Order: sequence, then C-alpha cells, then structure tokens
Amino acid sequence: DAKTTQPPSMDCAEGRAANLPCNHSTISGNEYVYWYRQIHSQGPQYIIHGLKNNETNEMASLIITEDRKSSTLILPHATLRDTAVYYCIVRVPYNTDKLIFGTGTRLQVFP
Amino acid sequence: DAGVIQSPRHEVTEMGQEVTLRCKPISGHDYLFWYRQTMMRGLELLIYFNNNVPIDDSGMPEDRFSAKMPNASFSTLKIQPSEPRDSAVYFCASSFQGAKGANVLTFGAGSRLTVL
Repeated sequence: DAKTTQPPSMDCAEGRAANLPCNHSTISGNEYVYWYRQIHSQGPQYIIHGLKNNETNEMASLIITEDRKSSTLILPHATLRDTAVYYCIVRVPYNTDKLIFGTGTRLQVFP
Repeated sequence: DAGVIQSPRHEVTEMGQEVTLRCKPISGHDYLFWYRQTMMRGLELLIYFNNNVPIDDSGMPEDRFSAKMPNASFSTLKIQPSEPRDSAVYFCASSFQGAKGANVLTFGAGSRLTVL
C-alpha cells in the first residue's frame, strides 16, 4: 500500500471549513484514498473514500488532485464535535485486507 | 442494526488472570477485525477473520493471545495469562467484501482493559 503523510496537528475555528491534507505520492492507479476519524475514547469512524473524482457525502468532501499524489478532506462547517484524529489511508478497494492506521492528524476545533 | 457490539466495556483484572473480550459483528458482514490501541503504539491490527476463518494473525503479540470466531455472529479475544503491558483499549470491527464494502470498517465502542 502507498505510504501517506499527514501533518500531526491542526487547529480550526468553529464554523469555519477544516481542510486536512494528505500526501500519497506513491499511490498506484487502482488505489483509493480512504478517510477515517477517531473521536476521543471512541472507535474509528469511516468518513469517505474516492479514486480520482471529488466525492461528497453528508459528513465531508474529498478533493483529490489531478495527479492523485495528494488529497484534502474538507469539513465545510467544523463544530466542536469534529475534534478528533483524522486518518488518511490508501488502499485497493476490492480486496478487504488488513487496514493499517498511521498516526493521523489531530484536529482541534476551538470556539 | 445496533452496530458492532463489544463486551465488556471496561475490565479491570489482576496480573495472571484470564481475560475474555467479546464481539458481535454487524449481521451480514463477512470480515471481522481485532485492533488494540495504546498511547505508545497507536492502533494496531491484531488479527482478522473472513467467513469465520482467521486470515492473518501476524499482529498477535504472543502466545498469550488467542482469538476465535465460532460463528458469523460472535468472536472472542482471550488473553491468558494477562500482564500489565496488555492494558489497552481493544476494538472489534466488521466489514463486508465488495467494491463498496471493502475497507469500510464499522468499529465497536471498544473494551478498555486494565491489568494491575
């Protein structure tokens, strides 16, 4: 699996958009980008995934650059409840296999 | 669906005692994963099953750890004998195969284990 690089921490004001970057320069053509988050003391939660087109769901938007070497998870209107560790993972989608979590980005949303 | 159900939520035991953690995956999911989380090591995959069969147990730390999945709706993770360094939060997760399901894991609330 391609390696990902994320900043260790970020801050965001409540109500503003939180933009969480992820670098995956060695991504291969059939690998998707997955995002999970873990709110303190809870199990990780799936957010969104995509291949090359931008994706949006009720939780977030995923923007993948044209060369697919990086992506950004966007929380359009961050709330205090979005304070969590966010993990970016690159995987082939059609084979369920061991999902390895890195250290992620700790997002702190402040009032 | 009630999601992935884990029990107990909290367990405090003494060194040397046997610990059994339980997990009920989401109905219809054919993959089950056990993870362990500590401050020092983060989230570690211990073992995962497909259709009740263990596929990869390379993350199991040592012979004191064992996991079983006797049927599609139940799995256990056992530690015998337990040691203080086993103190952690243990998460169970499940998913289903397929382009939309693969790698989309649903996690339980976790079992917080403290070994004194």
